[in-house]
Amino acid sequence: AQSVTQLDSQVPVFEEAPVELRCNYSSSVSVYLFWYVQYPNQGLQLLLKYLSGSTLVKGINGFEAEFNKSQTSFHLRKPSVHISDTAEYFCAVSGGDYGGSQGNLIFGKGTKLSVKP
Amino acid sequence: DAEITQSPRHKITETGRQVTLACHQTWNHNNMFWYRQDLGHGLRLIHYSYGVHDTNKGEVSDGYSVSRSNTEDLPLTLESAASSQTSVYFCASSEFPGEGQETQYFGPGTRLLVL
Repeated sequence: AQSVTQLDSQVPVFEEAPVELRCNYSSSVSVYLFWYVQYPNQGLQLLLKYLSGSTLVKGINGFEAEFNKSQTSFHLRKPSVHISDTAEYFCAVSGGDYGGSQGNLIFGKGTKLSVKP
Repeated sequence: DAEITQSPRHKITETGRQVTLACHQTWNHNNMFWYRQDLGHGLRLIHYSYGVHDTNKGEVSDGYSVSRSNTEDLPLTLESAASSQTSVYFCASSEFPGEGQETQYFGPGTRLLVL
C-alpha cells in the first residue's frame, strides 16, 4: 500500500541549531509533495509544496525542502530554528496513485519539533 | 479576509447521540474536506466534496455523513456517536479543479469527546 513515512515522531533541538525533518513516500508515478505546519491548538497551514521544476523548494519562515525522486524523499530543513518554530510538521502527498481521487492528500503521522532555549 | 470557520470548537456528547459539526468557508472554494486527527495516526480523510451536491467517502467514513447544499458549508454528522469517534476534527477547503496541486486551507478544529 502507498504511504507517507515521517521517520521521526519527535525532534528536540536547541535554538539557533539546524534541523532536518525527514519524509519518505512510496509511489510508482509522479506526485505532488507538501509540508504543513500545525502550531498548538490551531489548524494546519502550508509551509511549502513541490509540484514540478526545481527540486529545492523554499517556503515560509525560512524553511526549505528538497525533492529527491531516486530516494523518494522530501526532507524539510531550516538552518537556524527559533523558539517560535515549535510545532508539529506534517508531510503530505497527492496525485499519482494515492487515495480515491487525485486531489486528495495523504498525510504522514507528523513530527513534533521542540525548540529549546 | 477569507476564512474557514468551524463550530463548535469544543463538544462533549454521549454515546448514541447524533452530532453535527459545522464548517463554513468564505474562500468560495469548490472543494471541501473533513479530516480527523488522532495521536499516532496523523490526519485521516473522512469525507470530501468537489462541489454542490457532490459528496465522496474517504478513508475513515464509517459512522459519518456529509451533505453539500451550497458552496460555503459542509456539515459533518455523526449518526450515532461512539467513543471511538473522540477526536479532533478539521475541515479544509481548496479551489477547483482538484487535481492535487492546490493548497488546502484548514479551519481551527473541533475537539469532540464522546462519553
